[in-house]
Amino acid sequence: SQQGEEDPQALSIQEGENATMNCSYKTSINNLQWYRQNSGRGLVHLILIRSNEREKHSGRLRVTLDTSKKSSSLLITASRAADTASYFCATELNTGNQFYFGTGTSLTVIP
Amino acid sequence: NAGVTQTPKFQVLKTGQSMTLQCAQDMNHEYMSWYRQDPGMGLRLIHYSVGAGITDQGEVPNGYNVSRSTTEDFPLRLLSAAPSQTSVYFCASSYSRDQNIQYFGAGTRLSVL
Repeated sequence: SQQGEEDPQALSIQEGENATMNCSYKTSINNLQWYRQNSGRGLVHLILIRSNEREKHSGRLRVTLDTSKKSSSLLITASRAADTASYFCATELNTGNQFYFGTGTSLTVIP
Repeated sequence: NAGVTQTPKFQVLKTGQSMTLQCAQDMNHEYMSWYRQDPGMGLRLIHYSVGAGITDQGEVPNGYNVSRSTTEDFPLRLLSAAPSQTSVYFCASSYSRDQNIQYFGAGTRLSVL
């Protein structure tokens, strides 16, 4: 399978703490994206990082990409209870048009 | 804009029945795709389309058919439902390869008995 894997599978933190989740993948990619899924809902795009980028920021989100290690990390700073959700990485292969999602990290932020 | 609309939201089928999951988008997106989400498995790509009249298989296409006669619609057909197809199905669309941020529908929860 081309599927990526997130680590950890589940993460529980206190409000205000930072949350870090990691994604590993297997093949060369065009870009890597992070999505968020609230319980019972569809996925919502958070941030995209291209294969020639190493770091990207968007608000409280920071994403890094290491193509030599085939890994990415998502950092959520100053977490809030509303950040409670599942987070998925998705890789677009450099052959294009196919996306492979990881297994997700379930984040719980305790108020 | 309604975005990506999936119908129905819930469906129960008996083994061997057929049905079509509907997906429509009003954003004039070229790329559309279908995924299934199973516990602990993440999302797996079933079929995708890069434009009207063009479809291709993803990671888990067996048991499913698709067609793309218009830019807006991308239905997913289950020809003979099996219990292994019990899952939550998501449709997604995106504008183009270079801006391949996917917009997801709310999902269809399917149970096959």
